[in-house]
Amino acid sequence: DAGVIQSPRHEVTEMGQEVTLRCKPISGHDYLFWYRQTMMRGLELLIYFNNNVPIDDSGMPEDRFSAKMPNASFSTLKIQPSEPRDSAVYFCASRPRGTGELFFGEGSRLTVL
Amino acid sequence: AQSVTQLDSHVSVSEGTPVLLRCNYSSSYSPSLFWYVQHPNKGLQLLLKYTSAATLVKGINGFEAEFKKSETSFHLTKPSAHMSDAAEYFCVVSDQPTGNKLVFGAGTILRVKS
Repeated sequence: DAGVIQSPRHEVTEMGQEVTLRCKPISGHDYLFWYRQTMMRGLELLIYFNNNVPIDDSGMPEDRFSAKMPNASFSTLKIQPSEPRDSAVYFCASRPRGTGELFFGEGSRLTVL
Repeated sequence: AQSVTQLDSHVSVSEGTPVLLRCNYSSSYSPSLFWYVQHPNKGLQLLLKYTSAATLVKGINGFEAEFKKSETSFHLTKPSAHMSDAAEYFCVVSDQPTGNKLVFGAGTILRVKS
């Protein structure tokens, strides 16, 4: 299995631009999570899906952030418009039903200038 | 609400000496506890997990952790450090075995000196 695949690995953009991060979870996993990692705040859960349905988005910072999961093999996290304080590493993780273990992608490092 | 406190932000050991990374937790319920490791520019990988079975949990790469309810601790240990163990380690708590909202500690950076 290829594991959780994220793209792009690195993104540099200017303030005000739209950013789209992509994630392909491990096949057969029922849950998908988006996390953000910064030096100041550590790892924060943004949103998670169960069977493609958003269950809890209470961690999404504000309306500029949105996430979708149109099917079991693809999810996006969009930031529009982006701001410098959005600079972080964004991780996608998936999990099979019935276990607590998360499988993480290698992350997307976002820099907003 | 559940929380974890990693007592050391940085730990430095010599290769071949024991490793101890400390973690205290707080949970309203019988917790599930995890240790994850993150190597530079990589995602997080599960080292081990405790889910109310044996209190001494063995993980990958020779790591183990002991759940001590009386001390609300879940410290990570390894008898002999290897250079490849240099990474950041996260203690994580969930309030259910399959709980979805994991709470991550701030992390401990382990440095291994040759």
